[in-house]
Amino acid sequence: QKEVEQDPGPLSVPEGAIVSLNCTYSNSAFQYFMWYRQYSRKGPELLMYTYSSGNKEDGRFTAQVDKSSKYISLFIRDSQPSDSATYLCAKGAGGTSYGKLTFGQGTILTVHP
Amino acid sequence: GAVVSQHPSWVICKSGTSVKIECRSLDFQATTMFWYRQFPKQSLMLMATSNEGSKATYEQGVEKDKFLINHASLTLSTLTVTSAHPEDSSFYICSARGGLVEETQYFGPGTRLLVL
Repeated sequence: QKEVEQDPGPLSVPEGAIVSLNCTYSNSAFQYFMWYRQYSRKGPELLMYTYSSGNKEDGRFTAQVDKSSKYISLFIRDSQPSDSATYLCAKGAGGTSYGKLTFGQGTILTVHP
Repeated sequence: GAVVSQHPSWVICKSGTSVKIECRSLDFQATTMFWYRQFPKQSLMLMATSNEGSKATYEQGVEKDKFLINHASLTLSTLTVTSAHPEDSSFYICSARGGLVEETQYFGPGTRLLVL
């Protein structure tokens, strides 16, 4: 089992829809989570960072962490065509691997006008 | 804030030559820098972790002598692909850890390498 599992999609939604992106993880050691957006042929861009269970909101984006079920989600409200990209979830490590990230496979999102 | 640059953005070279890629954190001091490799339609694969002034730590399966990493300062790390071969063609991305939230990693724009 991969440490971080993410449905690769692809996911296609109409403009204005609410998008739900999800990941599960398997290692319960100290962790923190990030969501990145990656446009084609570009480096990933940090969207959200969180380390506690619950919701964290930033503009149209909400990151949700449920540590009891080892489930993390990213919601995008009022989706726009410019949101079309690959979304990567990542889990940070603690201990001797502090700072290293394990990435999910990435979900390809297309928002069509 | 938290900008990371990479140079060059793309490079084409002949088989057997060496290629150096620079990664710079422009507006913060990076405690640690990471080098990743990404193949088309795949996620990022961590190659190595580098801390300023110390030897890089390589992931299992990554050849140390093939991918030389030098972390000269808190704002600069370089990756040199030595004696490059066509199978080394890939998208190389660096990230820098630091800024306001220490655990966050900020990525560079990537370097596309094509070895002929």
